[in-house]
Amino acid sequence: DAGVTQSPTHLIKTRGQQVTLRCSPISGHKSVSWYQQVLGQGPQFIFQYYEKEERGRGNFPDRFSARQFPNYSSELNVNALLLGDSALYLCASSWGQGASEAFFGQGTRLTVV
Amino acid sequence: QQQVKQSPQSLIVQKGGISIINCAYENTAFDYFPWYQQFPGKGPALLIAIRPDVSEKKEGRFTISFNKSAKQFSLHIMDSQPGDSATYFCAASGTGTASKLTFGTGTRLQVTL
Repeated sequence: DAGVTQSPTHLIKTRGQQVTLRCSPISGHKSVSWYQQVLGQGPQFIFQYYEKEERGRGNFPDRFSARQFPNYSSELNVNALLLGDSALYLCASSWGQGASEAFFGQGTRLTVV
Repeated sequence: QQQVKQSPQSLIVQKGGISIINCAYENTAFDYFPWYQQFPGKGPALLIAIRPDVSEKKEGRFTISFNKSAKQFSLHIMDSQPGDSATYFCAASGTGTASKLTFGTGTRLQVTL
C-alpha cells in the first residue's frame, strides 16, 4: 500500500510569489494535517482537515490556506511568500479526526529566494 | 510559546548502549504523547506512543516512561544500533488523538561503532 504522497518534493519560489503544495493521504484515511518544519526545529501545526472541513488551525497568518477534496487529498496554499516561509512542509494522514496515529509524508522542501 | 521541551539537543551513544531522551510539557490538557523518528530527507515516522493512564510502554527496543505528576516523559532505546542514528521528536496532543500535535525541538542521536 502506498503511504502518504506529497508533491512536488522540492520547490524554489521567489519572494512575493504564491505556491501550492499537494498531498494524497493513505487509502482509507479521511483526515489530513499540514505541518511546517523549519531547519533544526520540530514540525509546527498549520491545519487539520477532516471530511473536507477545517477542524483545526495553528498560529499561522492568513497567507496560509488549505482545502480538502472529495477524494480526501489536500492542497496547501501560501500567498505572498516571505523568505521565512522556507521550510519542509509535511502532510500527515490519519483515518479520522479522532485517530490516535498520524503518518507523515516525506514532505515538500520549499525554498524562497 | 514552547509547550514541549526536549533534551538533550544531541546525543552520542556507543553501539549496544542505552539512549535516553527526555521531554517535559506544561499543558495539563495534553493526553497523548507519541515519539517520532526522522531520517534526513524523510518525514517523521511514528515509533511509539503513550497515554497518561499508564506509566510505561514497551515496543521492542523502544520504551516510553511517563511521569504524570512531573509532567515528563522519556524515550529509552535499548541496545542502540548505528541504524538508530536519526533525529527523534517527542510530541503531545490535547485531544487524546494525533489531530494536532505539538512537537519538541528534536534530539539528534548518533550511535557509534
